[in-house]
Amino acid sequence: DAMVIQNPRYQVTQFGKPVTLSCSQTLNHNVMYWYQQKSSQAPKLLFHYYDKDFNNEADTPDNFQSRRPNTSFCFLDIRSPGLGDAAMYLCATSSDDAGPTARDTQYFGPGTRLTVL
Amino acid sequence: RKEVEQDPGPFNVPEGATVAFNCTYSNSASQSFFWYRQDCRKEPKLLMSVYSSGNEDGRFTAQLNRASQYISLLIRDSKLSDSATYLCVLYTGGFKTIFGAGTRLFVKA
Repeated sequence: DAMVIQNPRYQVTQFGKPVTLSCSQTLNHNVMYWYQQKSSQAPKLLFHYYDKDFNNEADTPDNFQSRRPNTSFCFLDIRSPGLGDAAMYLCATSSDDAGPTARDTQYFGPGTRLTVL
Repeated sequence: RKEVEQDPGPFNVPEGATVAFNCTYSNSASQSFFWYRQDCRKEPKLLMSVYSSGNEDGRFTAQLNRASQYISLLIRDSKLSDSATYLCVLYTGGFKTIFGAGTRLFVKA
């Protein structure tokens, strides 16, 4: 089945130790997103890739970076995790080719739950 | 004022009940609207898209009122499995998607 996969599902890191979260998709969607969701809060968009073009949200801290080496993969790098970065990180995809009524629909991976010690 | 506002609940209803959630938004340029369902510690999953005045899918009905800037979700004949958080989501163009914080629903036997 076509899907969005995130690895690892759970990640524990130490304060200040860089960590990389991975997302892959078999949907062949051209847009990929990273969201941060803290407990009982709405998912917050960090950035998205439209094809190879990176689009950062204005309030995303510099501590968060992303790479998209190809259509299928996208990585979230947290350079120096702080305690406040503990959250669920969600990857999502959408497609321009889906037609005008479906192109805005996003499909989410299962998320990576990050713990910072 | 938040761009998307939802009553956080929780809504506690018995099985078989009808329950309705509202979501208000402030961005009049919002183009598309969605309801997502999120189970505890899981990812959001698309429940319904709302592109015109409304949409119906089985027990679920969504309505959009652009003049008053709100969308609603009606769940009829509630099931235990409907217990979840329901997220109101807006797409404002330019891949800008805004999520509400969600409304929690508990359906009890």
